[in-house]
Amino acid sequence: DAGITQSPRYKITETGRQVTLMCHQTWSHSYMFWYRQDLGHGLRLIYYSAAADITDKGEVPDGYVVSRSKTENFPLTLESATRSQTSVYFCASSESRKGQYFGPGTRLTVT
Amino acid sequence: GENVEQHPSTLSVQEGDSAVIKCTYSDSASNYFPWYKQELGKRPQLIIDIRSNVGEKKDQRIAVTLNKTAKHFSLHITETQPEDSAVYFCAASKGASGTYKYIFGTGTRLKVLA
Repeated sequence: DAGITQSPRYKITETGRQVTLMCHQTWSHSYMFWYRQDLGHGLRLIYYSAAADITDKGEVPDGYVVSRSKTENFPLTLESATRSQTSVYFCASSESRKGQYFGPGTRLTVT
Repeated sequence: GENVEQHPSTLSVQEGDSAVIKCTYSDSASNYFPWYKQELGKRPQLIIDIRSNVGEKKDQRIAVTLNKTAKHFSLHITETQPEDSAVYFCAASKGASGTYKYIFGTGTRLKVLA
């Protein structure tokens, strides 16, 4: 589990501000994912990436931007935060024939 | 669109009893089905998974069954213990390797009563 980390763990920001959530994995996994977790909705996929410079939208991509210039990093940016983006954000990574492994999460509050 | 329904949303059992959580998926192309356990304030952790070429898989007190025809799969926990109390999520994926995107169910909160 220590192989995938997220920062910050907690963040409070104001509506309209840009905020970036970081995800770093040391396993050299090809695949990385961003989910948000809200009560009543479970885990919903925001974006995912199959390799460096390859990203694709998930179920709820609006208002988010991702990049993946290096295999080990997959930052998620909220360009102009809204209250509806208050959530717990989980990053995950995986490799062939194995399930996804989740980071510890970032609790984001937008005021 | 792709959807995974999970039932029940909450489940209370007496310690030592069995617990069963059921999921139904909509996309017949799904071929990989993981289950995750999430304790309060923690990250989801993979506890067991099954691929579409297998009907049942068991790991100690945990088992998963898959019915491809009916498009449903279930998690069975036997001899439940207080430490089994958590939220359990099922998921379905088209990627046989588990690297394609997952569609998660909405979770089942399991409470094991001592």
